[in-house]
Amino acid sequence: QVQLVESGGGVVHPGGSLRLSCAASEFTLSIYGMHWLRQAPGKGLEWVAFVRYDSSAKYYTDSVKGRFSISRDNSKNTLYLQMNTLRAEDTAVYYCAKSPSNWYFDLWGRGTLVTVSS
Amino acid sequence: QSVLTQPPSVSAAPGQKVTISCSGSSSNIGNNYVSWYRQLPGTAPKLLIYDNDKRPSGIPDRFSGSKSGTSATLGITGLQTGDEAVYYCGTWDSSLTAVVFGGGTKLTVL
Repeated sequence: QVQLVESGGGVVHPGGSLRLSCAASEFTLSIYGMHWLRQAPGKGLEWVAFVRYDSSAKYYTDSVKGRFSISRDNSKNTLYLQMNTLRAEDTAVYYCAKSPSNWYFDLWGRGTLVTVSS
Repeated sequence: QSVLTQPPSVSAAPGQKVTISCSGSSSNIGNNYVSWYRQLPGTAPKLLIYDNDKRPSGIPDRFSGSKSGTSATLGITGLQTGDEAVYYCGTWDSSLTAVVFGGGTKLTVL
């Protein structure tokens, strides 16, 4: 079954770190741009980061620049999001999503919950 | 405050048609493709429309998209109770170098 599966979420103290993973099944990740998006409890969608298929370009939303890092290992068919210096406002369900082109998302994972709390 | 503006809610009766608007600017909708997503409670968003007016495989033709200038519209005909969800528009913003979304529109099928 073609799918994306996120993992690595959990509860972390403010200032802490987490690394999220997104494993692709039944398709090759290496030819697609990939994104992380998030949704805070009861709120709308927020785009977080993008990595080009060959990692030659990466973009981030302003609020995570310098704290989050997106990467991918095409040999493992896996996308990552390293999150450092976490803040309460980073609490959200984090989704990975595949992007064929033109900045839209045609396949989403089920999400993983990140809770930043003392 | 979202970069793209959507009405917070819309409603219509079963079988009727509804439209959801999405307003932006020249740096986003005006010069980039728009996509639309539907999110049922507790689930991940699902792509309904991409490149302004294209439907992915498996999305019925009850769903349509259009764009004019700096605004886009999602149309849904033959409303069903199963269409009750939150709908989001999204696009690339060339000035922000970021993907931006509307705040979401909750559709109620009365």
